[in-house]
Amino acid sequence: GAGVSQSPSNKVTEKGKDVELRCDPISGHTALYWYRQSLGQGLEFLIYFQGNSAPDKSGLPSDRFSAERTGGSVSTLTIQRTQQEDSAVYLCASSPSLLSTDTQYFGPGTRLTVL
Amino acid sequence: AQSVTQLDSHVSVSEGTPVLLRCNYSSSYSPSLFWYVQHPNKGLQLLLKYTSAATLVKGINGFEAEFKKSETSFHLTKPSAHMSDAAEYFCVVKDFGNEKLTFGTGTRLTIIP
Repeated sequence: GAGVSQSPSNKVTEKGKDVELRCDPISGHTALYWYRQSLGQGLEFLIYFQGNSAPDKSGLPSDRFSAERTGGSVSTLTIQRTQQEDSAVYLCASSPSLLSTDTQYFGPGTRLTVL
Repeated sequence: AQSVTQLDSHVSVSEGTPVLLRCNYSSSYSPSLFWYVQHPNKGLQLLLKYTSAATLVKGINGFEAEFKKSETSFHLTKPSAHMSDAAEYFCVVKDFGNEKLTFGTGTRLTIIP
């Protein structure tokens, strides 16, 4: 079956612009996660969603970052007024549930470059 | 709190020789532990996971890892390296009841022909 997909694969933007990154999880997976992979910071958790519950936003680095998940499926990560330090690969993952033993399946990522 | 330390940022081995990638973890509760691999310009792929069952875990492509609670370690091994194993490897911990994965800083594995 299809895995996690993300779009766009690459995004180049100018400082100060807003960007939207999209994630399509594996069909039937109720949990969805966003991570950021950047040089010097490694992989860091941003936010997760479980079904219709309020998301855990504790990893978002600033209030310029927000995410939503519509209909329990597709998710959009929005970065407002982008800064150069936002340049990174943004990874989305999904898992069947929130059980600690559940594997998270990762998408290919969106590489964001802020000029 | 959960954390993970990958002791080597870069490991080089000759093709056909054993691979050892070291990982130590810290966890407040019963952890789940994972190894993911990332090939250049590719997504993260799960190699194997430990979830409180057998302490020796076998994964894909001949990799295995042993959970040692007394040493708080979860080292990744493979008896014989192949050129296709060249990639970045991440050790990951997840505390029971905590939904966030905590990644190590990664180990880049280079295979020498």
